[in-house]
Amino acid sequence: QKEVEQNSGPLSVPEGAIASLNCTYSDRVSQSFFWYRQYSGKSPELIMSIYSNGDKEDGRFTAQLNKASQYVSLLIRDSQPSDSATYLCAVNLGRAAGNKLTFGGGTRVLVKP
Amino acid sequence: DADVTQTPRNRITKTGKRIMLECSQTKGHDRMYWYRQDPGLGLRLIYYSFDVKDINKGEISDGYSVSRQAQAKFSLSLESAIPNQTALYFCATSPGSSDQPQHFGDGTRLSIL
Repeated sequence: QKEVEQNSGPLSVPEGAIASLNCTYSDRVSQSFFWYRQYSGKSPELIMSIYSNGDKEDGRFTAQLNKASQYVSLLIRDSQPSDSATYLCAVNLGRAAGNKLTFGGGTRVLVKP
Repeated sequence: DADVTQTPRNRITKTGKRIMLECSQTKGHDRMYWYRQDPGLGLRLIYYSFDVKDINKGEISDGYSVSRQAQAKFSLSLESAIPNQTALYFCATSPGSSDQPQHFGDGTRLSIL
């Protein structure tokens, strides 16, 4: 089992709809969770950080964290064609993993006009 | 100006050549990282450094070496390049606290013929 898992997609979403992305992780001690957006051939760009259970909203993005279920998700509301990208989930797996981030393989999102 | 600068941005070279990729940052971060990204394989950690005197291997360090010349500079070397090291390489930085996200440079596209 991978330490951080994401569905690779592609997740096809009509323009204006909600895109829902999921990420599961293996280690219960994880405390820090991040979502990055990566356009093809470009570098990952941080879009959300979340540290405690519940929802965190920033503009059209909402991150949801459930530590008991070892699950973090990202919702993109009112999806736009410019949201078409690969979204990477990153988790700090704690001291046992050297306190470094572990990335999921990414979910590719396609927003269709 | 970019906070995390990678040079060169693109490089084509031949098998057996020695190559150095450089990364410099103006963010004042203690921690620096080198990743490679291959299609379908996500980001894989090559080496990381939590301060100037601290160097650690990542999950795919074979065939690579690094040097942390200063807090702001972290270089990656391929002593004898081989074609399967053709990839997109990213440098990233983060503050000294374990719960902070990483910030990425623009990447170096490396092709080994």
